[in-house]
Amino acid sequence: GQNIDQPTEMTATEGAIVQINCTYQTSGFNGLFWYQQHAGEAPTFLSYNVLDGLEEKGRFSSFLSRSKGYSYLLLKELQMKDSASYLCAVRDEDYKLSFGAGTTVTVRA
Amino acid sequence: ETGVTQTPRHLVMGMTNKKSLKCEQHLGHNAMYWYKQSAKKPLELMFVYNFKEQTENNSVPSRFSPECPNSSHLFLHLHTLQPEDSALYLCASSQGTGSGANVLTFGAGSRLTVL
Repeated sequence: GQNIDQPTEMTATEGAIVQINCTYQTSGFNGLFWYQQHAGEAPTFLSYNVLDGLEEKGRFSSFLSRSKGYSYLLLKELQMKDSASYLCAVRDEDYKLSFGAGTTVTVRA
Repeated sequence: ETGVTQTPRHLVMGMTNKKSLKCEQHLGHNAMYWYKQSAKKPLELMFVYNFKEQTENNSVPSRFSPECPNSSHLFLHLHTLQPEDSALYLCASSQGTGSGANVLTFGAGSRLTVL
């Protein structure tokens, strides 16, 4: 099966920056996704990377290195509403999507 | 509101009961999915339907029975479940299942508790 690792929990202060790492080992690669899930709510799409490099979307950025099997999600200028679980998901050579267990980010005032 | 609606949001059932979960999407997508989400575990893909045809069954026990009458509706029929089946069941849809970004749009889930 596929192996996707991300930290279980992270805590940061409002206004700070947090970087959530994701490492993966999959059979082939056809894209990496990040989703945000607030407690009791649907996961929502944040970003998609298929080529190496940094994709920036406002306060959120996602980076991919295919040779290293590595991605990170960078959250800048943290706000209380950013407290949520962040899910890393990788699509393999058969276009099957596998998820990590998620990283719970807690933003403190 | 994501455009994917799941009902009921919460369900408590005994091991001998029969119940169903419903999912409806208003996005014009062609593919629909059932995922199981347990605490501290990765989302587990259960079933995939593409244009109403089941394209994937991820070795799910037969006590879970999916039904997809059209591209907008997906059901998960439940019978003789076990306590370990207690979890959040997420429905998702996407435009397709192959190449391209094919972003999944999720519903808020049905929280199932089996007593």
